[in-house]
Amino acid sequence: SQKIEQNSEALNIQEGKTATLTCNYTNYSPAYLQWYRQDPGRGPVFLLLIRENEKEKRKERLKVTFDTTLKQSLFHITASQPADSATYLCALVDRGSTLGRLYFGRGTQLTVWP
Amino acid sequence: ETGVTQSPTHLIKTRGQQVTLRCSSQSGHNTVSWYQQALGQGPQFIFQYYREEENGRGNFPPRFSGLQFPNYSSELNVNALELDDSALYLCASSLLGWGIDTQYFGPGTRLTVL
Repeated sequence: SQKIEQNSEALNIQEGKTATLTCNYTNYSPAYLQWYRQDPGRGPVFLLLIRENEKEKRKERLKVTFDTTLKQSLFHITASQPADSATYLCALVDRGSTLGRLYFGRGTQLTVWP
Repeated sequence: ETGVTQSPTHLIKTRGQQVTLRCSSQSGHNTVSWYQQALGQGPQFIFQYYREEENGRGNFPPRFSGLQFPNYSSELNVNALELDDSALYLCASSLLGWGIDTQYFGPGTRLTVL
């Protein structure tokens, strides 16, 4: 069966450290993998997209890696801040699926404490 | 702010009733997708509309239906509500609906079915 698993439901780290979130997928062939941030009671907000032929993407304090051999993406937030506390969702667009349809993981709730 | 709005914010219905949820996409975005997000889960794709035509559907029964209008607004209709329909309903707009397009999510409508 198809699965998208995010490493843990919750991750707690101290301010200033690097947060690393994991997304593993099974029985998908992603053309694109995306990361979203979701705050309580709000809709997801797009952060980064990485293509299947890219290894790494950066945007300010955010970095995404994509390893199609391991079927895994890692999402890093460097110099984390309490304002980074939110749920982070990985989502992929499968090459064999409807254009633009996103398949989401359950998310990892990140808490950054001072 | 993504420029995507949804109404109402919250809604309470009883089992067997019908509900209509509304979404206003970003101007110029021809594609709208609807997602259902149960508590503690990632969003699940319901369907996608492109220029007023349905062009993809997830694993949801026919009692979930939609409409898209030329003025960038859209509706999600759910008939014969069931308790399991309680969830956050999200709409997302994008320019063309392709996999590489950024999808802009609205804040969602929280539906509770009693």
